[in-house]
Order: sequence, then C-alpha cells, then structure tokens
Amino acid sequence: DTGVSQNPRHKITKRGQNVTFRCDPISEHNRLYWYRQTLGQGPEFLTYFQNEAQLEKSRLLSDRFSAERPKGSFSTLEIQRTEQGDSAMYLCASSGEGQGVSQPQHFGDGTRLSIL
Amino acid sequence: AQTVTQSQPEMSVQEAETVTLSCTYDTSESDYYLFWYKQPPSRQMILVIRQEAYKQQNATENRFSVNFQKAAKSFSLKISDSQLGDAAMYFCAYSWAARVIFGKGTRLHILP
Repeated sequence: DTGVSQNPRHKITKRGQNVTFRCDPISEHNRLYWYRQTLGQGPEFLTYFQNEAQLEKSRLLSDRFSAERPKGSFSTLEIQRTEQGDSAMYLCASSGEGQGVSQPQHFGDGTRLSIL
Repeated sequence: AQTVTQSQPEMSVQEAETVTLSCTYDTSESDYYLFWYKQPPSRQMILVIRQEAYKQQNATENRFSVNFQKAAKSFSLKISDSQLGDAAMYFCAYSWAARVIFGKGTRLHILP
C-alpha cells in the first residue's frame, strides 16, 4: 500500500491555459473522489468514480472541468481555460468496496493550483 | 440540503488536557455516516474516527472519542491527553450515497 499519489504537487499557470492533474489511487480501491479545497475551507466534493464509471458530479464542476478514469485505475482532472477562481488545492481520495460510502477515504497530498 | 457546521474556527488546549470539538449537521436521511478527519499543516488528510448513524454506541479510537446525538444531529470529537502531534485542522464530514460533505474545519492548537 503506497497510498494515494497525486501529480504534480504544485502547478502555476497563466489564466486561460489548460491544466491536467493526475491521481493514482490505492491499487485495490475501486472508488475515487476529487475535491477542491480553498484556504480556510473544508474540501468541496467535485466528482466520484466507481471503477471507470463517473457516478456523481457536483454543480461546482462547470463545463470547463472534466474528469476521467480510464480502465478504472488512475484518474485525471482537466481544467480548460483556467480562471483566477480556480486557484485552490485539488485533492484526490480513494476508498474500497463497502456499504454506501462507509469506507474511509484515503487522501493524497493534493495538487496546489495557482493561476497568475 | 445536507450541511455540516463547525462553529469553532480555532481552539487551544494545554498539552495533556482534554478538548472537545463541536459539529452539527442537517439531513433528512436516517442512515448515513459521520467522520472526523485531521489535516496537519502541509500534510495529507487522515481519518481520525467514524460513526455509523444506525449505531447508538459512540465510536472510540484510543484517545479519540465521539459524542453522537442523532436526534440533535450533533457529532462532537473529544481528544483526551492532548499531544503536540494533535495540532492540526480537524474536519467533520457527513456521508450519504455518493457524496461526502465537509465542515469548514476547526484549527486546534496544542499549548506546551
């Protein structure tokens, strides 16, 4: 168990550019979650995958955001035409099989996005 | 809509003392899960303790215990014998179906 891995750790980009983040969950976990966390706030749910299927999307996930999890392994989160308000920490978490979401989520270190 | 409220933005406790962090939530569901997560500075979030709503018995994990009052929709965290390593942001979280909703957090300072 190597934990949840997120890359890159930090991303600085100019407004209007596209960015992509990667998350590698714990290998035996079939559930994967993306959150956004701004300073002084708790994580906000963005989207959730069970295996390769994206089952839930928050209304926070505008059409500039897209997430994929091909083959049910790693996941990518892409933000197109970045805006100042996209600056945040993007957290990925994974969990194993269980009733509902009762299984605890294991979080990665996050990717901190800064928009210039 | 489900919400989670942590009314204490910051708290301080003397090392070795006991501290209680408050959390209330709002839901119309009867079967759900509650969690406390800890996020040390610049480090990843880790699970502290969890509680199934259908269980009346309060969860306990070593020095960490909860006071779960389902009717009052209250889920407080008690940390006994506080240690310097307990200093962190603590997030209360509510989970139902595919979603997890976090509170805004309580920053806990441990005074030596």
